[in-house]
Amino acid sequence: GAGVSQSPSNKVTEKGKDVELRCDPISGHTALYWYRQSLGQGLEFLIYFQGNSAPDKSGLPSDRFSAERTGGSVSTLTIQRTQQEDSAVYLCASSLGTGASSYEQYFGPGTRLTVT
Amino acid sequence: AQSVAQPEDQVNVAEGNPLTVKCTYSVSGNPYLFWYVQYPNRGLQFLLKYITGDNLVKGSYGFEAEFNKSQTSFHLKKPSALVSDSALYFCAVRVPISSGSARQLTFGSGTQLTVLP
Repeated sequence: GAGVSQSPSNKVTEKGKDVELRCDPISGHTALYWYRQSLGQGLEFLIYFQGNSAPDKSGLPSDRFSAERTGGSVSTLTIQRTQQEDSAVYLCASSLGTGASSYEQYFGPGTRLTVT
Repeated sequence: AQSVAQPEDQVNVAEGNPLTVKCTYSVSGNPYLFWYVQYPNRGLQFLLKYITGDNLVKGSYGFEAEFNKSQTSFHLKKPSALVSDSALYFCAVRVPISSGSARQLTFGSGTQLTVLP
C-alpha cells in the first residue's frame, strides 16, 4: 500500500516568510508525528497527534511553529516568520494507534526546507 | 528522560565481513528499541524492533540486533555486509505507553556505515 507522503519535497523560502509543510499518513494510522532532522541537532521530535486527543506539542522549538491535523488524517506543519536556523529536513511519521503494531513508526521522505 | 547513544559516527567494513553498529540506551522502565536506516535523500526505513521476548531480534535485509539489559545495549549486526548496506543507521528508544511517558521516539545521533568493495 501507499506509504507516508510529504509535500513539497523541497522548499526554499526567504527569511521572515511563512511556510506550510504537508503530510499524508498511511491510511488507517491514527498516530502522526513530526520530527526535524538537522546537522548538529540530529533527529528531534516536534509534535504528536493521536486520534481526537489534544496533540503533544512538547517538542515545538518556539511559538512560530504550529501544526494541525484535519479529519484525523492529513497534517500541516506551519512555520511563521522563518529564520535561517529553521533550515532542516522535516520528517513526518505515522503509526497504528493501538496494539503491538503501533510501536513502529513509518516515515515519509521528508521536506527539505532552506531559509535564505 | 530517555536517551540513546551511538558512540561511533562512522563504521567502515569490508564487503563480506560481519558488521556491528553499536547502540546503548538510558530509560526508566522497560525500553522499546528500534533500528532505522536512512539512504541519501530518503526518509527513515524501519529495520527491526525489540519489545519483549527473545533478546535476539531479526529484521529486514538480513539484519539482527541483540538486546542486552545488563549492558543497556541494542547493537545492530549482520553476518556478511553488502556494499548496498552503506547508509546512515539510527537507533531509537521509547517507553511503554502504560508508563505515561511520551510516545515519540528518541533517536541516537546516527552512525554512517560504509561497506567497502
